[in-house]
Amino acid sequence: QSVLTQPPSASGTPGQRVTISCSGSSSNIGSNYVYWYQQLPGTAPKLLIYRNNQRPSGVPDRFSGSKSGTSASLAISGLRSEDEADYYCAAWDDSLKVVFGGGTKLTVL
Amino acid sequence: QVQLVESGGGVVQPGGSLRLSCAASGFTFSSYGMHWVRQAPDKGLEWVAFIQYDGSNKYYADSVKGRFTISRDNSKNTVYLQMNSLRAEDTAVYYCAKVAVSSVAGNFDAFDIWGQGTMVTVSS
Repeated sequence: QSVLTQPPSASGTPGQRVTISCSGSSSNIGSNYVYWYQQLPGTAPKLLIYRNNQRPSGVPDRFSGSKSGTSASLAISGLRSEDEADYYCAAWDDSLKVVFGGGTKLTVL
Repeated sequence: QVQLVESGGGVVQPGGSLRLSCAASGFTFSSYGMHWVRQAPDKGLEWVAFIQYDGSNKYYADSVKGRFTISRDNSKNTVYLQMNSLRAEDTAVYYCAKVAVSSVAGNFDAFDIWGQGTMVTVSS
């Protein structure tokens, strides 16, 4: 299983706000930045959030990230059908490895 | 535009070897660290390896340490992944990814650009 723990699935209706959690430990999330990646079906992952809560240019402000202690979360507000994708959290670990969460499949109902 | 193109995937028997390449364009390749990340069929992302912008530091996942080697040729704008002693569990799409920040400051930063991936199948 993955070092970072995410719920396997999440869902919401258009316009709703959904959050995806990511739980780690003191050696990864607790002491390093958290990143979030979005993977649309059949495509390569895309950077969504970097350094816990920063959005790359082009990422809508509907997406936001936060971190507290050894946990992080991704929030998506104003849910849209095109947000249906897999979402992964990631962080460097102090053992000089990158660790990923198992991914959360977001369904827009 | 900034682009990463992987190649070299294919079908190989257990115990065999394969070398993946990732050709970069649209940015100063020699200034950025690079990663390999893989994704087994219908599974999540798994980090494989990292190489610093100048090749002086390399880190590996425990699952591939001693079997895989990451390297780069900055004169050819290409990063490689030499995979030896391949196992069925190495079957995956392999992505290369660029670090967002240049030089050593970017070593522990996000992956801002990903390639389209190349499929590796280990099967007899």
